[in-house]
Amino acid sequence: KQEVTQIPAALSVPEGENLVLNCSFTDSAIYNLQWFRQDPGKGLTSLLLIQSSQREQTSGRLNASLDKSSGRSTLYIAASQPGDSATYLCAVSGYYDMRFGAGTRLTVKP
Amino acid sequence: DAGITQSPRYKITETGRQVTLMCHQTWSHSYMFWYRQDLGHGLRLIYYSAAADITDKGEVPDGYVVSRSKTENFPLTLESATRSQTSVYFCASSELYGTGYDQPQHFGDGTRLSIL
Repeated sequence: KQEVTQIPAALSVPEGENLVLNCSFTDSAIYNLQWFRQDPGKGLTSLLLIQSSQREQTSGRLNASLDKSSGRSTLYIAASQPGDSATYLCAVSGYYDMRFGAGTRLTVKP
Repeated sequence: DAGITQSPRYKITETGRQVTLMCHQTWSHSYMFWYRQDLGHGLRLIYYSAAADITDKGEVPDGYVVSRSKTENFPLTLESATRSQTSVYFCASSELYGTGYDQPQHFGDGTRLSIL
């Protein structure tokens, strides 16, 4: 059974800092890994999707990497802004099975 | 506007009652999903559908029924609601899933369901 863990559970940083969120998974037989953002009272917004054959994806200030062999992914956020404050979740997709981490709650202070 | 909409946004009902949560998407995505989100468990897949009239169980399907007669709609029914089904329910859709070429999932804003 796939298990997905996110560390840290919560993170508070001053505006402008670069930061890294971590995601680990136990079964390396995956199709892809997605990073999502969730704002309070809202659904999830897909940020980046890394296929199993890829090592990283970039979108603006966001960069996500994937190391299947070690069961790890990181989400790097450059020059953080207060608008980045949200919960970030990673999700791992296997054969007709998608498992989510519990999320990292990020607060960026002005 | 293109998107995925869930209704109702909030629902309170009593144990033993039947309740149906609605999900509608305008993209004509093939795949649709139902998740529940609970403190301490995160998001868990209940059911998904690959196309009209094709559905399959996810991680936590017990107590739920789904149907998909049209591509754009994917209702979730709790046939006899229990307190343990109090949760926030999210519907999502995607063009491809379960392959090496998956597309991102798009989520609705959720239905907050309370069962008394």
